[in-house]
Amino acid sequence: GQQVMQIPQYQHVQEGEDFTTYCNSSTTLSNIQWYKQRPGGHPVFLIQLVKSGEVKKQKRLTFQFGEAKKNSSLHITATQTTDVGTYFCAGPAGNNRKLIWGLGTSLAVNP
Amino acid sequence: DGGITQSPKYLFRKEGQNVTLSCEQNLNHDAMYWYRQDPGQGLRLIYYSQIVNDFQKGDIAEGYSVSREKKESFPLTVTSAQKNPTAFYLCASSIIGGLGAYEQYFGPGTRLTVT
Repeated sequence: GQQVMQIPQYQHVQEGEDFTTYCNSSTTLSNIQWYKQRPGGHPVFLIQLVKSGEVKKQKRLTFQFGEAKKNSSLHITATQTTDVGTYFCAGPAGNNRKLIWGLGTSLAVNP
Repeated sequence: DGGITQSPKYLFRKEGQNVTLSCEQNLNHDAMYWYRQDPGQGLRLIYYSQIVNDFQKGDIAEGYSVSREKKESFPLTVTSAQKNPTAFYLCASSIIGGLGAYEQYFGPGTRLTVT
């Protein structure tokens, strides 16, 4: 069945270092969404990418959608302790009625 | 103040008891979803609904039941048939449109512990 894979599963960085998480889908996606879940919290929508090759920025966060619309990445420049959490990517299932979720990348930042 | 509410935040039950988790939204969203999250794990879809009085099974529906009698409400019942009910349960909602699966808005979740 349709799958979305994320790597790495965990990442520890020193504050100020950069961080990247990668998302790969087994099928072409109409869009890809990114969410952040703080420890003990619930997922919060960050952004949606729709176009092939699209790049969007939110302050220190850069999101990319691959040319083939099967992969995506989230890059954080100069991490801060407020970036701690799990980052999930998700793409629509073939029937467009639900999302297929990656397992997430948990980011820990050492101050 | 729009959003999704889930209650209670923490719930404790004895094994063999059914328990119903509440989810209410005032975002006027048509679609609602229930997910289960285990420690260190991703989100697994239990049930979803796109219209009142209609719902579909997700990937792990066994041992769970839902109803959608009102647009704003989507309660989840964890039955005694669910083998490992202890988990963090998240409810979400979204609009439905031409692009298909739009972004989902999540409630704060209910942590269920069954002993």
